Amino acid sequence: DTGVSQNPRHKITKRGQNVTFRCDPISEHNRLYWYRQTLGQGPEFLTYFQNEAQLEKSRLLSDRFSAERPKGSFSTLEIQRTEQGDSAMYLCASRTQVTDTQYFGPGTRLTVL
Amino acid sequence: AQSVAQPEDQVNVAEGNPLTVKCTYSVSGNPYLFWYVQYPNRGLQFLLKYITGDNLVKGSYGFEAEFNKSQTSFHLKKPSALVSDSALYFCAVPYGGSQGNLIFGKGTKLSVKP
Repeated sequence: DTGVSQNPRHKITKRGQNVTFRCDPISEHNRLYWYRQTLGQGPEFLTYFQNEAQLEKSRLLSDRFSAERPKGSFSTLEIQRTEQGDSAMYLCASRTQVTDTQYFGPGTRLTVL
Repeated sequence: AQSVAQPEDQVNVAEGNPLTVKCTYSVSGNPYLFWYVQYPNRGLQFLLKYITGDNLVKGSYGFEAEFNKSQTSFHLKKPSALVSDSALYFCAVPYGGSQGNLIFGKGTKLSVKP
């Protein structure tokens, strides 16, 4: 049990709708990462936070994507105007600043119809 | 640029036999290497990591990995496979040193038959 939780676990939406996912990291972990995993591929980095600051964003994170971590605890990932290509598993991971191991949540599987 | 490669899409072994899942790496500086496992419709679970020191790293569920600098490899091994080991295995390297986001291989599907 890694302790990272994600909600919802599954989301089905229609193209053009907005969706929001939530990640609750392990409580003492100040670094939080978002990844996207498509079928048959390894996870790809999207963005990461140290406390409430968003320190890095991948080029995969288009303008339709936004992530927040307002109080340095939980984080949300929003996708606006979803497209079928956004269908994927969205994974959240957390770690402390000192240790180097990221612990992953169970993921949110998004299906865009 | 940091990268890892997993040359096999799938590995099939019989229960009780030893298993090896291959990973090769390309990194600048000291390598930090990780193995994760993913069961169907689940997130990734950490298995083990190499930071420095002993080339044979022991991890969870009886898995171990051997770091080989001359061959730039970090193969995952287990002496005796279980059916429950059937899953997707990912090798990963952090971008820009130990502090960065992880760069994953494409994954290797391990199938253990009774």
